Amino acid sequence: AQSVTQPDIHITVSEGASLELRCNYSYGATPYLFWYVQSPGQGLQLLLKYFSGDTLVQGIKGFEAEFKRSQSSFNLRKPSVHWSDAAEYFCAVGAPMFSGGYNKLIFGAGTRLAVHP
Amino acid sequence: DTAVSQTPKYLVTQMGNDKSIKCEQNLGHDTMYWYKQDSKKFLKIMFSYNNKELIINETVPNRFSPKSPDKAHLNLHINSLELGDSAVYFCASSQEVAGGTWEQFFGPGTRLTVL
Repeated sequence: AQSVTQPDIHITVSEGASLELRCNYSYGATPYLFWYVQSPGQGLQLLLKYFSGDTLVQGIKGFEAEFKRSQSSFNLRKPSVHWSDAAEYFCAVGAPMFSGGYNKLIFGAGTRLAVHP
Repeated sequence: DTAVSQTPKYLVTQMGNDKSIKCEQNLGHDTMYWYKQDSKKFLKIMFSYNNKELIINETVPNRFSPKSPDKAHLNLHINSLELGDSAVYFCASSQEVAGGTWEQFFGPGTRLTVL
């Protein structure tokens, strides 16, 4: 069965510091991978996605993620964190349900990011 | 222009009541979803509809009944509400691409509190 693990429940960084949020997945085939961000009281916004091709993907707000098949990982990075990045971050894997490409998203438990000034 | 909208944003009700949450998307997508986010922020899919037809029905109590009157709407009706139904419910939509994948666009969520 497909699953997503985000090992860090809560991370605190100082503003301007670099950030890496970890994500490991379990999936038999080539996964479709996503990172979403949820600000307090808000819905989910897609940061970036990986379908195929270049394993380093760029997203919005200065985020990037690297797909490493050998490690079953899709870690999210940002070189310099801003106070407005404080939020909940979710990694997700897209699981095909039918040959036609119907899917559902399986989410990790999320990582809460706090940013110190 | 809100892409995926949900009403109401907050819903407080008593145990045993019946309530509905509405979702509308103006993106022209053909697939819509309901997700439940519990108090620990864990997100889990409940239902998915494609062109008004149910394609995903996870292990959800039959007190929950989704209804899709057209491609742009997916409503969630909940009968006999229980304390454990308290959660944030998210609607999402996407455009299916055969053999490929797609992005799911999420609504702002409906926070349901059952007293």
